[in-house]
Amino acid sequence: ELKVEQNPLFLSMQEGKNYTIYCNYSTTSDRLYWYRQDPGKSLESLFVLLSNGAVKQEGRLMASLDTKARLSTLHITAAVHDLSATYFCAVYDKVIFGPGTSLSVIP
Amino acid sequence: GAGVSQSPSNKVTEKGKDVELRCDPISGHTALYWYRQSLGQGLEFLIYFQGNSAPDKSGLPSDRFSAERTGGSVSTLTIQRTQQEDSAVYLCASSLNQRANTGELFFGEGSRLTVL
Repeated sequence: ELKVEQNPLFLSMQEGKNYTIYCNYSTTSDRLYWYRQDPGKSLESLFVLLSNGAVKQEGRLMASLDTKARLSTLHITAAVHDLSATYFCAVYDKVIFGPGTSLSVIP
Repeated sequence: GAGVSQSPSNKVTEKGKDVELRCDPISGHTALYWYRQSLGQGLEFLIYFQGNSAPDKSGLPSDRFSAERTGGSVSTLTIQRTQQEDSAVYLCASSLNQRANTGELFFGEGSRLTVL
C-alpha cells in the first residue's frame, strides 16, 4: 500500500528566508504532483513532475523528483507572506496525498 | 463553466439520514476521484473511476459509502445513515486519461457536509 509522508508538517518561517519541504513515498512511482491549498479553498496545482530528475520552477518555488530515492522536494526561496498556505504532495497512480505542510511566513 | 462543478456546496443533515453529493467533471476528462478532507487534515482517498474500467473503491471507509459514475461523466457519492464522523469536505477531482497524459488533477470547490 502506497504511503506518502511529508516533513515538516508545520513550518513557520521569516520573510526572505529559504526552506525545503520534503515528500517521501513508499512504493515505486515516476509521477508526483504538488498542490497548494489556501484556508477554506480547494486545491490548486503547482507542479507536475513526470520523471526521475525532473525539476520545475515557478517564481519562488522549485520542485524536484528523485524516483530512486522516492523523494521529492519543494524549495522555497526568499519567502514572502503570499506563500502562506498548506502544501501537499501526491503520488501517482491512485494519486495518494501526503498529510500536507502548513506554511506560515511571518514578517 | 469549464471547471469541475460540485453540488451542493454546503449540506447540513441529521444523523441517520442519507445524503447524495454530485460531481460534474471537466468535459473530456475520463478519470474522476473523490477525496474526503476533515477539518485541518489531509486528503483521504475514497474512490477512483477511470473510463469504463471497474472503479477502485479501496478507500471507501464503510459500506455506508458508495459512488457511481453515469455515462462516464457525472458522479454521485452517496452516504447512507450518516454519522457525525462523516462531517467533512468532500472533494472531487478529474483528469485526462491517466496513462496517456500527465494525470494532473483539477479539483472542484468541494461539498461541505455537516452531520448534526
